[in-house]
Amino acid sequence: GESVGLHLPTLSVQEGDNSIINCAYSNSASDYFIWYKQESGKGPQFIIDIRSNMDKRQGQRVTVLLNKTVKHLSLQIAATQPGDSAVYFCAEANTGFQKLVFGTGTRLLVSP
Amino acid sequence: DADVTQTPRNRITKTGKRIMLECSQTKGHDRMYWYRQDPGLGLRLIYYSFDVKDINKGEISDGYSVSRQAQAKFSLSLESAIPNQTALYFCATSDLRLAGYNEQFFGPGTRLTVL
Repeated sequence: GESVGLHLPTLSVQEGDNSIINCAYSNSASDYFIWYKQESGKGPQFIIDIRSNMDKRQGQRVTVLLNKTVKHLSLQIAATQPGDSAVYFCAEANTGFQKLVFGTGTRLLVSP
Repeated sequence: DADVTQTPRNRITKTGKRIMLECSQTKGHDRMYWYRQDPGLGLRLIYYSFDVKDINKGEISDGYSVSRQAQAKFSLSLESAIPNQTALYFCATSDLRLAGYNEQFFGPGTRLTVL
């Protein structure tokens, strides 16, 4: 069946470092991927997405890389700040299907 | 996201009680979803609705039912609550017509405890 997994449940970094959060997916039919950030007590918030016809996409301080060959997705956060501390989820879907399959999440801890 | 609201935000109930969680959105989106989140796990889809007349089961629909009263309202019911339904529940919306279609916008969540 479908599964989206994360390599590390917790990632600890220092303020100013770059963070890399990884995600593996198993459904080769998935062609849309999205990263969400969830802060304590809040619902998930959209960070960035990428379609399978791209291998890299950049936003403000964030970059998502997609490697379809090994079915791997990563989220890079530049100059990590304390406000980036949260749980990060990757999710995958088929275009137009509108059903997202979520991974279990990685907790990012940023120390000053 | 303030455009997606959930009530109540917290609820403690007893085994066997019927519970309704409500979700409202002002985004004008046609698609709405209910998810459940357990500690250490990602979000799992309970039910989803692509328009008012369309209701679909997700991966964990047993023990739950939903009602799409209007485009803006989607409620989740637990007919007879049991302790293993203790979890965080999230409502989400999306709109295929938006450029970032597939992006789902989440409400703040409802923390449900079944004793």
